Amino acid sequence: AQKVTQAQTEISVVEKEDVTLDCVYETRDTTYYLFWYKQPPSGELVFLIRRNSFDEQNEISGRYSWNFQKSTSSFNFTITASQVVDSAVYFCALSEAMDTGRRALTFGSGTRLQVQP
Amino acid sequence: DAGITQSPRHKVTETGTPVTLRCHQTENHRYMYWYRQDPGHGLRLIHYSYGVKDTDKGEVSDGYSVSRSKTEDFLLTLESATSSQTSVYFCAISESGGGLNNEQFFGPGTRLTVL
Repeated sequence: AQKVTQAQTEISVVEKEDVTLDCVYETRDTTYYLFWYKQPPSGELVFLIRRNSFDEQNEISGRYSWNFQKSTSSFNFTITASQVVDSAVYFCALSEAMDTGRRALTFGSGTRLQVQP
Repeated sequence: DAGITQSPRHKVTETGTPVTLRCHQTENHRYMYWYRQDPGHGLRLIHYSYGVKDTDKGEVSDGYSVSRSKTEDFLLTLESATSSQTSVYFCAISESGGGLNNEQFFGPGTRLTVL
C-alpha cells in the first residue's frame, strides 16, 4: 500500500534562514505522482507542485525548490530565505497511476513550519 | 483559483442527527473527492466520484454516504453523526484522474462539530 511519511512534525526557524521539509514515500507502482500542498493559518489548501515519477529533474520556483530522488524515495522541499508568510502546514502527497478509477491522494501527516521574525 | 465552494462552512450538530455537506464546482471537472482532516493524520479519503452517479469508497468511508446527480455537485451525508466525525471536511476536484492535469484543487473546507 502507498504511504507518505513526513517525519518532521514541527519546524521553527528565524526569518531568512533556509529550511528543508522532508518527505519519504512508499509505493509499489512504477508510475506515480508526488505533490506538495501548503495550508496557511487561514485553512485552505494550496497546490504547490506536482512531480511525475519518470521526471527526476529538480525544480525551482522563486524561493522554493524541490529535490526528487527515486533512489531514496524522497521528495524534499526547500524554502530559501524563509519569510513569515511561509508559516503554514505543508503536506506531501502521493498518487499512483495503477490506482485506476480512484486516483486519490495519500497524504503525509504534515509539517508545521513556523517562521519567526 | 479553481471555482470550488463548500457549504456550510461551519456546523455544530448533535450526536445522532443527519448532516449533509455540499461541494459545488464551476470547473466541469470529472473527479470529485471528499477528505477529512484530523490532527496527526493529514487528509484521508472518505469517498470519491469519477462521474455523475459514479462513486466509490475511500479509506474512511464507514458512516458516510455520497451522491452526485450533477457534474457540479457532490454531497456528503452523515446518516447519524457521531462525535468521532468531528473534523474538517475538504472537497477536492481534478480534471483528470491520471497523467496530465491530475492535481487536485481543494475547497475552503467545512468545520463540523458533533456534540
